Amino acid sequence: GESVGLHLPTLSVQEGDNSIINCAYSNSASDYFIWYKQESGKGPQFIIDIRSNMDKRQGQRVTVLLNKTVKHLSLQIAATQPGDSAVYFCAETDYSGGGADGLTFGKGTHLIIQP
Amino acid sequence: DTEVTQTPKHLVMGMTNKKSLKCEQHMGHRAMYWYKQKAKKPPELMFVYSYEKLSINESVPSRFSPECPNSSLLNLHLHALQPEDSALYLCASSQGGLSSEQFFGPGTRLTVL
Repeated sequence: GESVGLHLPTLSVQEGDNSIINCAYSNSASDYFIWYKQESGKGPQFIIDIRSNMDKRQGQRVTVLLNKTVKHLSLQIAATQPGDSAVYFCAETDYSGGGADGLTFGKGTHLIIQP
Repeated sequence: DTEVTQTPKHLVMGMTNKKSLKCEQHMGHRAMYWYKQKAKKPPELMFVYSYEKLSINESVPSRFSPECPNSSLLNLHLHALQPEDSALYLCASSQGGLSSEQFFGPGTRLTVL
C-alpha cells in the first residue's frame, strides 16, 4: 500500500482565498517531505520542502506544516491565483544514509480556483 | 541550466517494438531517477542511479532496462511492452543526500498498442 497521502481528490477555492491541502504519511522513519505542483501535461514542479527536525517552513505565499506526532503534512497557499490551479502531491523519503533515495508520492489533490 | 530534458515527448509503439527514452541534465547532479505515472495517479518510482550505478530497482519488469551512460544522461530501454505499460515516464535528478530536491523533466507520454 501507499505510505503517503490522505486523499481529498478535489479542492475548490475562490480566487484570493487561502487554500489548505493536507497529507498523511505512515512511515515514521521519513526524514524529508516535499510538496510538488503538477500542471496538465507537465512534470512535477518543486514548491517547498521540510525536514523532519522542523515543524514549519515558509516560502513565497506557501507554508508547509509538519506534525510528526500524528504524521500529518499540510500545504497552505495564501491568496490563491488562477495559476495555482494544478494537482498537488506530497512526497516523502526515508534517507537511508549517504545515497540518493526515490520519493514516495501521495495520491494528489486537484486544486481548482474559482473566479 | 536548471532543466531536465526528456525525449521524445510522445511515443507510440507496438508490443514487439524496441524503443528508448532519453533524459539529460547539466546541473552536475549525481543522482537520476525514473518514475512512471498513470493517468490521475501519483508518480511511482522505478529506478534510481547514484554516481552512474543502479542503486534502486523497485521490482520493475525486465522489459524495462535502464542505462546511465554518463553522469548527465539516463536512458530507459523498452522491449516487448504491454498496453498496461502506457503511461507518462518521468525522469528526475538531484544532488543526492538528505534534503535534496528532485528536479523533474516534462516526461515522455508512452502509448503501447
